[in-house]
Amino acid sequence: EAGVVQSPRYKIIEKKQPVAFWCNPISGHNTLYWYLQNLGQGPELLIRYENEEAVDDSQLPKDRFSAERLKGVDSTLKIQPAELGDSAVYLCASSLGFSNRVADTQYFGPGTRLTVL
Amino acid sequence: GQNIDQPTEMTATEGAIVQINCTYQTSGFNRLFWYQQHAGEAPTFLSYNVLDGLEEKGRFSSFLSRSKGYSYLLLKELQMKDSASYLCAVIYSGAGSYQLTFGKGTKLSVIP
Repeated sequence: EAGVVQSPRYKIIEKKQPVAFWCNPISGHNTLYWYLQNLGQGPELLIRYENEEAVDDSQLPKDRFSAERLKGVDSTLKIQPAELGDSAVYLCASSLGFSNRVADTQYFGPGTRLTVL
Repeated sequence: GQNIDQPTEMTATEGAIVQINCTYQTSGFNRLFWYQQHAGEAPTFLSYNVLDGLEEKGRFSSFLSRSKGYSYLLLKELQMKDSASYLCAVIYSGAGSYQLTFGKGTKLSVIP
């Protein structure tokens, strides 16, 4: 069974440019998560989707970050415009159940390493 | 806050046993996870604990004491490939949902 798929794996952009990341979760998983991970730190949640609904986006910097999961399957995370401090690894994860009902294991994709110059 | 504390770095010898400790705030605790993360790769699920006690999975075991807010990951018969970061993560229940909070990770170096 395929795991969580993310693309691109690496992205280098200049500041003020837009960038987008794509994630396809494990088939059948209802909940999808976007995390940010800085070097030497644990992942930090940006946004959580249950099907197509964003149920927790309290940590998402909404002035420049946006996300969508239109059909309740794959998702995109966008930054516009990117800033130097956005350089990090952006991880996508998915879990089977709905996070308001069960505390399921989250499975992670390989991440997108973003470098903003 | 929901501070999750674990040592920043550890070094151990190939073939030995190493114990990585994790402490966390107990309020709202639901369960605890351990993930392994090799440099530049995704966190990989290792184990989870819901009840007190030891969960064994091959060379890896994880222990939980809910009253003490304490867990450890035990790695036996260390191999060079075990060099990685080990992330302790806790699911807290609150505000109608379950939220996973990660520690900063423990970077384990296995030396010959």
